[in-house]
Amino acid sequence: QVQLQESGPGLVKPSETLSLTCTVSGGSISNNYWSWIRQPPGKGLEWMGFVYYSGSTNYNPSLKSRVTMSIDTSENQFSLKLSSVTAADTAVYYCARGSGWTGHDYWGQGTLVTVSP
Amino acid sequence: QSALTQPPSVSGSPGQSVTISCTGTSSDVGSYNRVSWYQQPPGTAPKLMIFEVSYRPSGVPDRFSGSKSGNTASLTISGLQAEDEADYYCSSYTSSTTYVFGTGTKVTVL
Repeated sequence: QVQLQESGPGLVKPSETLSLTCTVSGGSISNNYWSWIRQPPGKGLEWMGFVYYSGSTNYNPSLKSRVTMSIDTSENQFSLKLSSVTAADTAVYYCARGSGWTGHDYWGQGTLVTVSP
Repeated sequence: QSALTQPPSVSGSPGQSVTISCTGTSSDVGSYNRVSWYQQPPGTAPKLMIFEVSYRPSGVPDRFSGSKSGNTASLTISGLQAEDEADYYCSSYTSSTTYVFGTGTKVTVL
């Protein structure tokens, strides 16, 4: 059974960079797409983008100038960096398997990141 | 890219059927059979219920079915059960080679 677990700081200051890592267990990170999706408190889901095991990426145009996704196949991990954060970036951040093409079939439990001084 | 449009809420009594619509455009739902549906009970991560418009992953009850007509996709829950109470989101591939989620629908079992 594939499991995903997000990790990273739960509090980030405005204008700084949010950094999260997703660790994949129970399966290989290879030959798959891996996505980040976020959900502001009380609001809907937002697709942020995905990284392929080869390292190629595809980002939401609204975040493209601030987001970087990467993958480390040796550690079975992939990562998210979001720069110049504001309060609007406060959300539960989920990592998930898949690009969306055939749906995201495995999800992490999500981690709340709050942007505040 | 704008979120796909879903009704804020739908409700039904146990045993009844409810249908959730997901309206997009010819640049997303209307052009691709790459619509997925997710169930999200309060405080939990979303769960994939339908992919590629109408396919169910293993383990999803056949009470859940998906369809599409033009720019609108639909999720139908037949034989509604108390455990189906949750938020539901659709998602679609877009012509910009990105993905977009719907606005979300709260399903209430009366």
